[in-house]
Amino acid sequence: QKEVEQNSGPLSVPEGAIASLNCTYSDRGSQSFFWYRQYSGKSPELIMSIYSNGDKEDGRFTAQLNKASQYVSLLIRDSQPSDSATYLCAVNDYKLSFGAGTTVTVRA
Amino acid sequence: DTAVSQTPKYLVTQMGNDKSIKCEQNLGHDTMYWYKQDSKKFLKIMFSYNNKELIINETVPNRFSPKSPDKAHLNLHINSLELGDSAVYFCASSQEGAGYGYTFGSGTRLTVV
Repeated sequence: QKEVEQNSGPLSVPEGAIASLNCTYSDRGSQSFFWYRQYSGKSPELIMSIYSNGDKEDGRFTAQLNKASQYVSLLIRDSQPSDSATYLCAVNDYKLSFGAGTTVTVRA
Repeated sequence: DTAVSQTPKYLVTQMGNDKSIKCEQNLGHDTMYWYKQDSKKFLKIMFSYNNKELIINETVPNRFSPKSPDKAHLNLHINSLELGDSAVYFCASSQEGAGYGYTFGSGTRLTVV
């Protein structure tokens, strides 16, 4: 079983819509969760971190964590063409383990 | 000021050669990492150093040898390069502890021909 799994993409959404990305993790003891954005040919960039159950909002991004279900999600509201990228879910235990990523395309 | 810098950005070399990638961070972080991103874009940790001490060594061929002369630098030397080593290698750094995200360098695209 993979440590971190993300819903398969690619995900195509119209401009202005909500993009919803999902991630599950295998280690019930995990405490720290992150979302990274990676543009094509670029390095991963940290956009959200979440440590407690519930929602965390930062601008147009909302991260949601449910430790009982071992589930992390990322919502991108009012999606813009500049949000087109691969989004990587990551879980930090003694190392940062990444999911395979979900590629999002925002259609103008 | 670049926080985590890697050199070179691109590396094209023949099978069997030996090559090195250098990484430096100016964030004052204690821990540095090497990740490999394959053609399917999956990011996998290779090594981690904390204050010059190796703390993570994932299942990586012995041809890969990291070296950390000080906590701001982490280099990766690869011997006898193989076609399957072609990938993007990312250096990263973080503060110590599981609660911190990592800052990544810009990556080194290695192509073995």
